[in-house]
Amino acid sequence: SQELEQSPQSLIVQEGKNLTINCTSSKTLYGLYWYKQKYGEGLIFLMMLQKGGEEKSHEKITAKLDEKKQQSSLHITASQPSHAGIYLCGADPSGAGSYQLTFGKGTKLSVIP
Amino acid sequence: EPEVTQTPSHQVTQMGQEVILRCVPISNHLYFYWYRQILGQKVEFLVSFYNNEISEKSEIFDDQFSVERPDGSNFTLKIRSTKLEDSAMYFCASSVLAGVGEQFFGPGTRLTVL
Repeated sequence: SQELEQSPQSLIVQEGKNLTINCTSSKTLYGLYWYKQKYGEGLIFLMMLQKGGEEKSHEKITAKLDEKKQQSSLHITASQPSHAGIYLCGADPSGAGSYQLTFGKGTKLSVIP
Repeated sequence: EPEVTQTPSHQVTQMGQEVILRCVPISNHLYFYWYRQILGQKVEFLVSFYNNEISEKSEIFDDQFSVERPDGSNFTLKIRSTKLEDSAMYFCASSVLAGVGEQFFGPGTRLTVL
């Protein structure tokens, strides 16, 4: 079965600083999804990456899928308190258009004003 | 903006009781899912549903669990005889496509089994 390891487990940054969260897969990634979760709430979709080398940005968040398609990074530029939450990476474990997503344990981000 | 809704937000039940968790997926979506998250653990896939039948299910989704789309809008998860270890946050999700598009998640139902 596919395992997704996220690092770091938690991160505390000063407002305005940049940060990177990594997601490493035990198998080739065919579809990598980034979600954000606030405590006690649902998951909010951020971005999806499918092709090796693909990079997508939305506002101050950039996600990349490496060429070998076994690692993805999420980079936040000039962090704000609104970025605080738990960031989850999720993947299709089979690569065959599976219906289910496998998730990492998440990275808890705190942004200090 | 359309969103997935779930009711109730919190359900407390006694061990052995049946519970039904309800979800209203986004109206034009075709695929529906249930996930759960035990406190402090990963979000885990339970089941997916398409065209009025289960598409995939995990090992967690045993005979105690069932899903149903009783009408054109609701999607339900039933746990027949709850156990203490069923205590978790249950998320419903829906998507237009399977495997290539994002899944939109609801806010979750926190189930507490006493």
